[in-house]
Amino acid sequence: GESVGLHLPTLSVQEGDNSIINCAYSNSASDYFIWYKQESGKGPQFIIDIRSNMDKRQGQRVTVLLNKTVKHLSLQIAATQPGDSAVYFCAIQGTDKLIFGTGTRLQVFP
Amino acid sequence: DTGVSQDPRHKITKRGQNVTFRCDPISEHNRLYWYRQTLGQGPEFLTYFQNEAQLEKSRLLSDRFSAERPKGSFSTLEIQRTEQGDSAMYLCASSLGSGADSEAFFGQGTRLTVV
Repeated sequence: GESVGLHLPTLSVQEGDNSIINCAYSNSASDYFIWYKQESGKGPQFIIDIRSNMDKRQGQRVTVLLNKTVKHLSLQIAATQPGDSAVYFCAIQGTDKLIFGTGTRLQVFP
Repeated sequence: DTGVSQDPRHKITKRGQNVTFRCDPISEHNRLYWYRQTLGQGPEFLTYFQNEAQLEKSRLLSDRFSAERPKGSFSTLEIQRTEQGDSAMYLCASSLGSGADSEAFFGQGTRLTVV
């Protein structure tokens, strides 16, 4: 079956620096990928998505990169702010459901 | 606030008791999902409804679990004879359709603690 894994359980960055969170997936047929942010005590919140026919998509301060050759996905956050502190999940849209990775905790220090 | 509401937010119960959680999705969304999230893990799919029809159930959903969406609006998830291993965050999400361009919105979750 499909699986999703993140490379690092915790990432610590200084406020103002850029953050990069990485994710690997197993199924080369996956065609839709989503990044979620989950703050403590809350449900996951959609950040940005990308389809398999693209290799890059940009939002406000966030960029998602997709490398289908090595089945790798990354989320880049520019000028990281304290409010970005949360757990970040990549997810694959499987057949009628989302398949989540284990998450990376982003810690932002002043 | 995503528009998906779950009740209660927290539930502490004794092992062996039954519990029921409620989810109110965004009103025009025809799809409703239940996920379970344990500490340090990503959400795991349990089941989903399209309107009132329950279309898929995960192997995680043992016989002690039952979910309903009687009128295609709100949904309930019941756990009978709770066990300590049931302790988790239970998340509900809703969407209009499925796949790309059908963003799933999550509620705040119900945190269940079985003692």
